[in-house]
Amino acid sequence: AQSVTQLGSHVSVSEGALVLLRCNYSSSVPPYLFWYVQYPNQGLQLLLKYTSAATLVKGINGFEAEFKKSETSFHLTKPSAHMSDAAEYFCAVTSGSGNTGKLIFGQGTTLQVKP
Amino acid sequence: DADVTQTPRNRITKTGKRIMLECSQTKGHDRMYWYRQDPGLGLRLIYYSFDVKDINKGEISDGYSVSRQAQAKFSLSLESAIPNQTALYFCATSDNTDTQYFGPGTRLTVL
Repeated sequence: AQSVTQLGSHVSVSEGALVLLRCNYSSSVPPYLFWYVQYPNQGLQLLLKYTSAATLVKGINGFEAEFKKSETSFHLTKPSAHMSDAAEYFCAVTSGSGNTGKLIFGQGTTLQVKP
Repeated sequence: DADVTQTPRNRITKTGKRIMLECSQTKGHDRMYWYRQDPGLGLRLIYYSFDVKDINKGEISDGYSVSRQAQAKFSLSLESAIPNQTALYFCATSDNTDTQYFGPGTRLTVL
């Protein structure tokens, strides 16, 4: 069964520093991959998604993620953190290859941005 | 107006009470989902529905039931609430691209 692991439940960076949030999936058959962000007291909002087109995916708010099949990874990055980036981030994968109608979510990573 | 709405936003109830959480969407999507969020566990799927006549159990359906009253409405019920059902509950919708769109959540506390 497909699974997804986010390394690090809490990540702390200084404002202006690089943001790197890690996500690995388990299947040898590449699924679709997503990053969502959850701001306090809000629902989840889509940041970006990979659906077997370009391996480098650009999302909203300056975030991007690179799909690496050999490493079964889909890490999220942003060159320069802003205070407004403080939130919880979830990586998600489709439960099989391609469009399955179901997503499996990682445990989440809380990003803290220090002034 | 929000595309996916949930009512109530907050609810405190007692053990043994029946609770219904409601979800409505204006996105015209066929697929709807109910998740619960617990700290450190991410989101776990409770039930999902791919159209009005289709209801499927997710990974943690025990103690929950759902009703798909219309394409736009999907309700989650706790027949007899227990304290370990205290959590943040999210409704989501999806078209056929696997991208899901989430409501603002309902914070449920069972005493």
